[in-house]
Amino acid sequence: DAGVTQSPTHLIKTRGQQVTLRCSPKSGHDTVSWYQQALGQGPQFIFQYYEEEERQRGNFPDRFSGHQFPNYSSELNVNALLLGDSALYLCASSLGQGKQFFGPGTRLTVL
Amino acid sequence: AQSVTQPDIHITVSEGASLELRCNYSYGATPYLFWYVQSPGQGLQLLLKYFSGDTLVQGIKGFEAEFKRSQSSFNLRKPSVHWSDAAEYFCAVGAGTPDKLIFGTGTRLQVFP
Repeated sequence: DAGVTQSPTHLIKTRGQQVTLRCSPKSGHDTVSWYQQALGQGPQFIFQYYEEEERQRGNFPDRFSGHQFPNYSSELNVNALLLGDSALYLCASSLGQGKQFFGPGTRLTVL
Repeated sequence: AQSVTQPDIHITVSEGASLELRCNYSYGATPYLFWYVQSPGQGLQLLLKYFSGDTLVQGIKGFEAEFKRSQSSFNLRKPSVHWSDAAEYFCAVGAGTPDKLIFGTGTRLQVFP
């Protein structure tokens, strides 16, 4: 079992650009949540996808959007990047509201 | 609003010493409580969780935590720390559901031989 995988590992973008991050959930999981972890901070909940719909959302602007595919994999899209979007983006998967398994994250740097 | 406070940013202990990491939460009802560990380059790993029942919870790697409603605390303990326990530890509360987590700012644990 590969666990939760995320791609890419690292990414560098400039202000104003758009970025797409990808997550493959653990086998058998149907729910994907995304978190943003700024340097020196704890992760912050962005949103959660279940059955290809956004089920819950944290306090993030509309620049942050997502998608879940029929195979339960998910994408996180961020438009009009700001310097403050630089962070580690974590994906977590679960079966419904069960135990969440986290991926290693994607490190996004915005210059 | 729900929140989690981890008062200790950085803790240093000697290998074999006991450990207690503090966590205080703010939430109106009985919370879902979690402790996670994060090693460099690794994702978050769940150490233990409390949903209800016995207030002393056993987790993996010899960790335990005690839920104290009167103090709004969920402190993590280990009787004897190993060098491999050096990592960042996060306390989290489930905001109404166990899968929408609010995390504290973390405590970095350093272990000296």
